[in-house]
Amino acid sequence: ETGVTQSPTHLIKTRGQQVTLRCSSQSGHNTVSWYQQALGQGPQFIFQYYREEENGRGNFPPRFSGLQFPNYSSELNVNALELDDSALYLCASSEPGGLSTDTQYFGPGTRLTVL
Amino acid sequence: AQRVTQPEKLLSVFKGAPVELKCNYSYSGSPELFWYVQYSRQRLQLLLRHISRESIKGFTADLNKGETSFHLKKPFAQEEDSAMYYCALRKAAGNKLTFGGGTRVLVKP
Repeated sequence: ETGVTQSPTHLIKTRGQQVTLRCSSQSGHNTVSWYQQALGQGPQFIFQYYREEENGRGNFPPRFSGLQFPNYSSELNVNALELDDSALYLCASSEPGGLSTDTQYFGPGTRLTVL
Repeated sequence: AQRVTQPEKLLSVFKGAPVELKCNYSYSGSPELFWYVQYSRQRLQLLLRHISRESIKGFTADLNKGETSFHLKKPFAQEEDSAMYYCALRKAAGNKLTFGGGTRVLVKP
């Protein structure tokens, strides 16, 4: 069974640029959630994708957008980067449907630095 | 809106001593509560969930709806328990997790 993977590991961008982060879900999982974790804080929910459709969104502006592909992998896109977007971005996959299958499994994260 | 509060940023205890991590939440419905742990250089992983009512690695947590708390306890801390611990709440299966700010536990020899 393959775990959740994310790429790239680290990324440095400048203000105003755009960035795309990628996530491959764990085998058999059809739901992907994205979280932003600023330094010293807990993860904050950005949005969730279920079978290629957005299935819930947190308090993030529209410049944060996403996609989920038929193989259930996902992308997080952030436009017009701001300094406050510097954070660890976590992806988690799960398969909703029951106590033993709806646990969210997290990837290692992508560390984004905006200069 | 739901909210999770972990009042302690850092807990430092000696090996063999009891440890209790506090978690309080605000939510008007019936939430699911979780504890996640992140060991050094590892990814965030589920430690336990209230609905399972089980003990994992010697840790237990009881949901107290009256006090809106879900404190994590272990009677005898071990050095390998040193990690970052996050309490999290979920409204419904498959929906988003709301995390607290985390508590760093340091178990000294």
